[in-house]
Amino acid sequence: DAKTTQPTSMDCAEGRAANLPCNHSTISGNEYVYWYRQIHSQGPQYIIHGLKNNETNEMASLIITEDRKSSTLILPHATLRDTAVYYCIVRVAPTGANNLFFGTGTRLTVIP
Amino acid sequence: DTGVSQDPRHKITKRGQNVTFRCDPISEHNRLYWYRQTLGQGPEFLTYFQNEAQLEKSRLLSDRFSAERPKGSFSTLEIQRTEQGDSAMYLCASSSNFGQGGLGLYGYTFGSGTRLTVV
Repeated sequence: DAKTTQPTSMDCAEGRAANLPCNHSTISGNEYVYWYRQIHSQGPQYIIHGLKNNETNEMASLIITEDRKSSTLILPHATLRDTAVYYCIVRVAPTGANNLFFGTGTRLTVIP
Repeated sequence: DTGVSQDPRHKITKRGQNVTFRCDPISEHNRLYWYRQTLGQGPEFLTYFQNEAQLEKSRLLSDRFSAERPKGSFSTLEIQRTEQGDSAMYLCASSSNFGQGGLGLYGYTFGSGTRLTVV
């Protein structure tokens, strides 16, 4: 599975949109982009995933560039509870390895 | 169903002792995973079960580590002769193989982990 590159940390003002970038320049055509987040002292939590098209759910939006080499996770109105480490993962489905490679993620701090 | 449960939440043990952790996955999930997370790092894969069969093991899983899922429901992870380097958060996750090759529609569901401290 392709590896990803994320900024180490980001800050965002409460109530503003948080835009978290991820580079996955070696992504293959059958690899999906998944986002998880991990709030302190908890296990990772699934947020959203996509293949080609932009996706939106109740938590976030995922914007994938046309060449699929990068993506952005958008939290439209960040709250203090969104402070967490955000992981971008690319993975083949359905035949990919059964492990997820998390990397070190982006530590998002939402500032009051 | 309240999600993936792990027990205990915290464990402090002396070096050389054996420890065992338990994971109860979401009942309808047939796949179960163990991950390890050290401070400042993302979770790292240890092993994976489909039902009761252990299908994949990471190189991180030394011979002091053993995992079981005897009836395809709960799982245990045992560490024998613990070392200080084993200090970490041990995370369990489960998923269904319905939809997107095991990640399901909503990815893995993780438990809150067991934090092991070896002194």
